[in-house]
Amino acid sequence: ETGVTQSPTHLIKTRGQQVTLRCSSQSGHNTVSWYQQALGQGPQFIFQYYREEENGRGNFPPRFSGLQFPNYSSELNVNALELDDSALYLCASSRPSGRARETQYFGPGTRLLVL
Amino acid sequence: AQTVTQSQPEMSVQEAETVTLSCTYDTSENNYYLFWYKQPPSRQMILVIRQEAYKQQNATENRFSVNFQKAAKSFSLKISDSQLGDTAMYFCAFMGAGANSKLTFGKGITLSVRP
Repeated sequence: ETGVTQSPTHLIKTRGQQVTLRCSSQSGHNTVSWYQQALGQGPQFIFQYYREEENGRGNFPPRFSGLQFPNYSSELNVNALELDDSALYLCASSRPSGRARETQYFGPGTRLLVL
Repeated sequence: AQTVTQSQPEMSVQEAETVTLSCTYDTSENNYYLFWYKQPPSRQMILVIRQEAYKQQNATENRFSVNFQKAAKSFSLKISDSQLGDTAMYFCAFMGAGANSKLTFGKGITLSVRP
């Protein structure tokens, strides 16, 4: 069984640029969540995708956007990068199952540095 | 909104000893899920243990066990027979039972296991 994968592992951008991060969900998982983890902090929820639709969003501005594809892989796009966007971006996949909430399994993350 | 508090930023334990990591949370929900995740220096977030709020029995996974006190909104993690590989950041996380299954994390605690 393949786990959650993310690409790229590291990325350096300059302020004002745009970036796209990618995530492949674990086999059998159709829900993908994205988190931002600043250095020394806990992850913060950005948004979640389920069956190609956004299914909840955290307190992040509209320049953070996403997509989910029919194979359940996902992209996180960030426009007009700011210095504070420098962080580890984590993707997690899970299977929704009725009323029960499935565990989220995380990828290794993408480290973004904005200069 | 839910909050998760981990008030101890760092802890240290001797190899083979037992250590307890504390976590408190605040929620108005009656049904929810609690997790402990481990993030080693290599940064991949790994699930340690999961607890469903409706279950009175504390979850255990080999050397890891929790003390779940629902009335006190407390969820501590006990690591028995600590090993060098347990050195990592540990995050306590909350998930509600609503349609949007996002995780709310605490700030984490850095655990160092001394040889």
